Amino acid sequence: DVKVTQSSRYLVKRTGEKVFLECVQDMDHENMFWYRQDPGLGLRLIYFSYDVKMKEKGDIPEGYSVSREKKERFSLILESASTNQTSMYLCASRSTGGSNQPQHFGDGTRLSIL
Amino acid sequence: GQSLEQPSEVTAVEGAIVQINCTYQTSGFYGLSWYQQHDGGAPTFLSYNALDGLEETGRFSSFLSRSDSYGYLLLQELQMKDSASYFCATGAGSYQLTFGKGTKLSVIP
Repeated sequence: DVKVTQSSRYLVKRTGEKVFLECVQDMDHENMFWYRQDPGLGLRLIYFSYDVKMKEKGDIPEGYSVSREKKERFSLILESASTNQTSMYLCASRSTGGSNQPQHFGDGTRLSIL
Repeated sequence: GQSLEQPSEVTAVEGAIVQINCTYQTSGFYGLSWYQQHDGGAPTFLSYNALDGLEETGRFSSFLSRSDSYGYLLLQELQMKDSASYFCATGAGSYQLTFGKGTKLSVIP
């Protein structure tokens, strides 16, 4: 079974802090993704990475950056956290091969910015 | 860009059949996927349609009509554990998916 592990289930930070969300997958997947999920808005893609050190902006990258130094790990960084970044953050991974390949999700990190 | 429309909520009776519709507008089509998410849980993959027609996996089936930019998820013999949110998604290029806003299914006794 594919395992996608997010470092924290719940996280509380203060406005202006630099926040790191970590995600690790154990299936040697090339592609990794960060989404945020808000009520009534579904899942929105923040950034994705199709290989080590490669990254692409998704639909809502503003205020975020990412890092992928190793194949199994994909980090999401909030450079200066703001209250409008309070949300559920979901990480996913997928093997290469196209859209027919399922994305495997972690359990999510519920982030609160105070 | 990509956009997908699906009903926000559906209620159905245990043992019945329910259909969740999804219409999409895309600049390029890379298939239609369905995901299930229970409250507090991670989304999990259900099905993928690249070609027109019906794909069946146990109690769940998924249908696609590319000419109508339309698909649906069909759940048969509903069980209480099917209460969840269901998302349709379409590829937005070779890598990423764009998700609909989700349909919350409530199964009642």
